[in-house]
Amino acid sequence: DIQMTQSPSTLSASLGDRVTISCRASQSINNWLAWFQQKPGKAPKLLIHKGSSLESGVPSRFSGSGSGTEFTLTISSLQADDSATYYCQQYNSYWTFGQGTKVEIK
Amino acid sequence: QITLKESGPTLVKPTQTLTLTCTFSGFSLSTIGVGVGWIRQPPGKALEWLALIYWNDDKRYRASLKSRLTITKDTSKNQVVLGMTNMDPVDTATYFCSHSQTDVFDFWGQGILVTVSS
Repeated sequence: DIQMTQSPSTLSASLGDRVTISCRASQSINNWLAWFQQKPGKAPKLLIHKGSSLESGVPSRFSGSGSGTEFTLTISSLQADDSATYYCQQYNSYWTFGQGTKVEIK
Repeated sequence: QITLKESGPTLVKPTQTLTLTCTFSGFSLSTIGVGVGWIRQPPGKALEWLALIYWNDDKRYRASLKSRLTITKDTSKNQVVLGMTNMDPVDTATYFCSHSQTDVFDFWGQGILVTVSS
């Protein structure tokens, strides 16, 4: 099974800050990686697939990068609406989610 | 537009079998590349993929739960059914179904909270 490890587990940042979340796969997943945003009581929302492809309607302040085993989600300028938990997910071999990163606004 | 909705019991007893139905609209499960998956989330914990069924009736199951899971589809009714046997309190979670296009979970249902308790 492919394991996905996210860091940090929680981060607190100010409005306008650049925020970076890391995701590491236990083996190469090529670019078969997605990022989701989940708010309390809601279903996850797909932000990015294939490592860096932004979903339609997702603000351009979100971006994804990486390949192989190391991936990054970046929020270029943190907005109040970005307060949520973010999950990476590999789909190279079945599907595995990371443990999540909670983003809080200072 | 694509919508999905989960339905089923919200309370089951230990050892019982859970049956959840995902009713969807806006796509056909006969279309090449399309699938419907089930994902669960215990309260306060991370997401966990359970099962997926493809347009061609190919099925995938989480290895650790494979013996307990069954996924089927009824294309004419636009439904996918997930069965999970021998339910335990640790299976208490919100269960989501999701549309998959080339293995990407792009549209999700609202989820249904299932509690396992006697």
